[in-house]
Amino acid sequence: DQQVKQNSPSLSVQEGRISILNCDYTNSMFDYFLWYKKYPAEGPTFLISISSIKDKNEDGRFTVFLNKSAKHLSLHIVPSQPGDSAVYFCAAMNSGGYQKVTFGTGTKLQVIP
Amino acid sequence: DGGITQSPKYLFRKEGQNVTLSCEQNLNHDAMYWYRQDPGQGLRLIYYSQIVNDFQKGDIAEGYSVSREKKESFPLTVTSAQKNPTAFYLCASSIPGVEYGYTFGSGTRLTVV
Repeated sequence: DQQVKQNSPSLSVQEGRISILNCDYTNSMFDYFLWYKKYPAEGPTFLISISSIKDKNEDGRFTVFLNKSAKHLSLHIVPSQPGDSAVYFCAAMNSGGYQKVTFGTGTKLQVIP
Repeated sequence: DGGITQSPKYLFRKEGQNVTLSCEQNLNHDAMYWYRQDPGQGLRLIYYSQIVNDFQKGDIAEGYSVSREKKESFPLTVTSAQKNPTAFYLCASSIPGVEYGYTFGSGTRLTVV
């Protein structure tokens, strides 16, 4: 049972344009959502997170939007840069205690110069 | 600098052999995790440990074993019972209530030859 889903395995965007990566979840007990960025042969690195009590969180070029009623979140990257080319994992967790993070399958973003 | 060290980065194993992947952290994190990454399947949880001398099975624990004798160390043994061991293995650690979830190591690529 895939509790966190990223239905787009890949995305190509021109440099300078907006990249939008989408994620859906099924478990209403999740109260924190995260995005990780991963380069080949490296471990994922934390990018941005959002609490379930918020609907938007912004950090520089990265903004995450959360729609709880639709159980949907998205990551916006504006403007996209070639260095943003990587695999992006959406993840969700219960923040209390020792959290166990559930990951989506990832979306490979290619930013074309 | 604090972080998680996984070794070796590349590992080759003959069929029928057990192999142990190392994971060491100096972040003073209580919880540690092992994930496996396969193409198109994202990150799947193998085992996790919340405290020393205690660990729990994740979603795909069959064919794997772990130990947690020290807070800093969480080695993963891939046994001959694991039918498809070729994958990229990621170790992570965390402390409670942290909004960024996990800190990951750089991974070990295991190939069965």
